[in-house]
Amino acid sequence: AQTVTQSQPEMSVQEAETVTLSCTYDTSESDYYLFWYKQPPSRQMILVIRQEAYKQQNATENRFSVNFQKAAKSFSLKISDSQLGDAAMYFCAYRSGVPGTYKYIFGTGTRLKVLA
Amino acid sequence: KAGVTQTPRYLIKTRGQQVTLSCSPISGHRSVSWYQQTPGQGLQFLFEYFSETQRNKGNFPGRFSGRQFSNSRSEMNVSTLELGDSALYLCASSYFEGGDGYTFGSGTRLTVV
Repeated sequence: AQTVTQSQPEMSVQEAETVTLSCTYDTSESDYYLFWYKQPPSRQMILVIRQEAYKQQNATENRFSVNFQKAAKSFSLKISDSQLGDAAMYFCAYRSGVPGTYKYIFGTGTRLKVLA
Repeated sequence: KAGVTQTPRYLIKTRGQQVTLSCSPISGHRSVSWYQQTPGQGLQFLFEYFSETQRNKGNFPGRFSGRQFSNSRSEMNVSTLELGDSALYLCASSYFEGGDGYTFGSGTRLTVV
C-alpha cells in the first residue's frame, strides 16, 4: 500500500523569506501523480502544484516549486518570497496511475506560519 | 465559473440519526470524490463516482454510502450516526476519472452529539 509522510508538523518562515516543506512517499508503482494542497482556515483545499511521475522536470507555479526526487521518493515544496497569505496547512498527496485505484492518499500536513 | 458547492456548511445531528450531504461539482466535471477529514485520522478517502458509477471505495463501514446523479451532482449518506463520524466532509470534482488535481469544495462540518 502507498503511504505519504510529512515529518514536519509545523514550520515558520519570515515574510519574504524562503521555506521548504518536506514530503516522502512509498510506492511500488511507476505511474502516479503527486500534489501539494493548501488548506487555509476557510477549509477549502486549494491545489498548489502537481507533478507527474514520468516527468523529470520539477514543476513550478509562480513562487511555488517542487524538488521531485523519484529514486529517493521525495517531493518537497519550496515557497519563495513568502507572503502572509501563504499561512495555512499544506498537504502532500499521492494518486496512483492504475485505473480503478485513483484515490488520493494524503500526508498528515504541515502547518506553515508566516511571521511579519 | 462556479466552484464546487457543498451544502449544508454546518450540521448537528444526534447519535443514531442519518444524514445526507450534497455536492455540486464544477460544471462539466464528471468525477466526484468524497473525503473525511478528522484531527486524528487526517484526510481519508470515502468514495469516487464517475458518470453515475462508483469507481472506488475507501475503508469505511457500509453506513457510509453515496450516489451520483445524471447531472453529476452527488450525495453522501451516513446512517446510524456515531460520535466518531463527527468530521469535515470534503467533496472534490474533476473532469477525468481520478483527475490530475481535484477542485475541492469548502466542506460540510458534521457534528454528532
